Amino acid sequence: DQQVKQNSPSLSVQEGRISILNCDYTNSMFDYFLWYKKYPAEGPTFLISISSIKDKNEDGRFTVFLNKSAKHLSLHIVPSQPGDSAVYFCAAIFVSYGKLTFGQGTILTVHP
Amino acid sequence: DGGITQSPKYLFRKEGQNVTLSCEQNLNHDAMYWYRQDPGQGLRLIYYSQIVNDFQKGDIAEGYSVSREKKESFPLTVTSAQKNPTAFYLCASSKLRDSGANVLTFGAGSRLTVL
Repeated sequence: DQQVKQNSPSLSVQEGRISILNCDYTNSMFDYFLWYKKYPAEGPTFLISISSIKDKNEDGRFTVFLNKSAKHLSLHIVPSQPGDSAVYFCAAIFVSYGKLTFGQGTILTVHP
Repeated sequence: DGGITQSPKYLFRKEGQNVTLSCEQNLNHDAMYWYRQDPGQGLRLIYYSQIVNDFQKGDIAEGYSVSREKKESFPLTVTSAQKNPTAFYLCASSKLRDSGANVLTFGAGSRLTVL
């Protein structure tokens, strides 16, 4: 049972444009949602998170939007840079359990 | 510098052999985790531990074993019972929180290939 889903395996964007990465979830009881970035042969690194009581969180070029009624979140990267090319994972957590559930990941390619 | 060290980075194993992957952290984190990454399946939780001498099964624990004898160390043994062991294995750690997002810090990973 996949509780967190990223339905787009890949996304290709031109440098300077906006990248929008999407994520859907099934359990409305998740407390927090997080985005991680991963380069090949490396561990994921934390990007940004959002509480389930918020609908937007911004950090520099990265903004995460949460639509609770649709059980959907998205990560916006503006402007996109070639160094943003990586696999992006969304994840969700119940604070009381303390462990993350990850989506399948989306490969982002930013072309110069 | 604080961080998580996984070793070895690459490992080859013959079918029927057990292999142990090392994970050490100097972040003073209480919780440690093992994830497995396969193409198209994201990161799946194998085992996790929130305190020394205690650990819990994750979503795909069959064929794996762990120990947590020290706070800093959480080795993973891939046994011969694991049907498809070839994968990229990631160790992570975090502080224990009763509020706020639980941000995991990951190691660089170990790639296991079964020949």
